[in-house]
Amino acid sequence: DTEVTQTPKHLVMGMTNKKSLKCEQHMGHRAMYWYKQKAKKPPELMFVYSYEKLSINESVPSRFSPECPNSSLLNLHLHALQPEDSALYLCASSQESRPWVGYTFGSGTRLTVV
Amino acid sequence: AQTVTQSQPEMSVQEAETVTLSCTYDTSESDYYLFWYKQPPSRQMILVIRQEAYKQQNATENRFSVNFQKAAKSFSLKISDSQLGDAAMYFCAYRSSYEKLTFGTGTRLTIIP
Repeated sequence: DTEVTQTPKHLVMGMTNKKSLKCEQHMGHRAMYWYKQKAKKPPELMFVYSYEKLSINESVPSRFSPECPNSSLLNLHLHALQPEDSALYLCASSQESRPWVGYTFGSGTRLTVV
Repeated sequence: AQTVTQSQPEMSVQEAETVTLSCTYDTSESDYYLFWYKQPPSRQMILVIRQEAYKQQNATENRFSVNFQKAAKSFSLKISDSQLGDAAMYFCAYRSSYEKLTFGTGTRLTIIP
């Protein structure tokens, strides 16, 4: 299995909703990432879980909260989002001991906040 | 923080022709890795080609090749015999052993039939 699987592929939510995005990989990678990507822009790193340790991009608002139940799963919990949070959310994983391999990305969740 | 610059927001090429996408980067590291990722409308970020800085030989993957100029900190991507399926956003990216992946601003490539 050489894939990163993200669900759902599309999500529409209201500003008062609570929802979660899910990311899963079975490549044995010990680092997983959440990115936010606006149209025609590069992905922006939000969170990193590396060997169960969380690193946060301090510019990310607290209405986004990551969770790493185990080394294969990464969730992103969403609460009280704003319309400007509408974007493509990408998950990626990597094997930190092999940095030359690069990251493997999922196909993303297209989020629309109404 | 390292920076990656792609100076061409958009490029277009006739089908079957060759196109070169530019990328420059800034780093004080001697050991690092460079990547070109392709993001088609399907959204998934796909690794096209990679280069390890200690390797002098330019990487090649079928129709894709790079021109890596370490002293100039330049890493361009050449696509030969362009095909309609090559249409996508292309991101140049950098990482070292101690840093996370840093992306350039991207180049949108259009293939003209």
